[in-house]
Amino acid sequence: EVQLVESGGGLVQPGGSLRLSCLASGFTFSNYGVHWIRQAPGKGLEYVSAISENGTSTFYADSVRGRFTISRDNSKNTLHLQMSSLRPDDTAMYYCVLSGLYWGQGTLVTVSS
Amino acid sequence: SYELTQPPSVSVSPGQTARITCYGDELPNQFAYWYQQKSGQAPVLLIYKDNQRPSGIPERFSGSSSGTTVTLTISGVQAEDEADYHCQSSDSSAAWVFGGGTKLTVL
Repeated sequence: EVQLVESGGGLVQPGGSLRLSCLASGFTFSNYGVHWIRQAPGKGLEYVSAISENGTSTFYADSVRGRFTISRDNSKNTLHLQMSSLRPDDTAMYYCVLSGLYWGQGTLVTVSS
Repeated sequence: SYELTQPPSVSVSPGQTARITCYGDELPNQFAYWYQQKSGQAPVLLIYKDNQRPSGIPERFSGSSSGTTVTLTISGVQAEDEADYHCQSSDSSAAWVFGGGTKLTVL
């Protein structure tokens, strides 16, 4: 069974940093690109970042480019999202997603003073 | 930037047919995907590649495409179908793009 389990969310002050992780199981992690998608409270879905199977190709939404860094460790079946210079409008549930078919339960990031 | 446009809300009585549309200039060239999201839960993929249903998705959910508009049709709507529905496609660089979401209310 495919499972994606996010962790690392929490409350952080504006300008702060946070590192999200996603532990994958039930499939060959190194064979798939994976994505981060977020949803602000009461809002729609927003595509944040993506990384290719071997990590050589990455994508960032304009809203996070230069502040967020996506990476993966295929030996540990883990995806990361390093977030810095966080702003209140980064407040959202962050989902780790495989192929659109498999979603984690999400980890909540709240940016507030 | 590329946008997908959905109606904010759709209402339908139980047993009736609900249709949720999604408009985007690139939809003739890119596949569309539909997700259902119930309150407090992660989205679930309902339709992929315009009209394909993943295993386990009831037949009452179907997708269609016509030019710059794709449509999610829910036949014989049930109370449990009350949820937010999101369309998704890709822009010319293959980045995912989501519509704003449609809240389906079952009267």
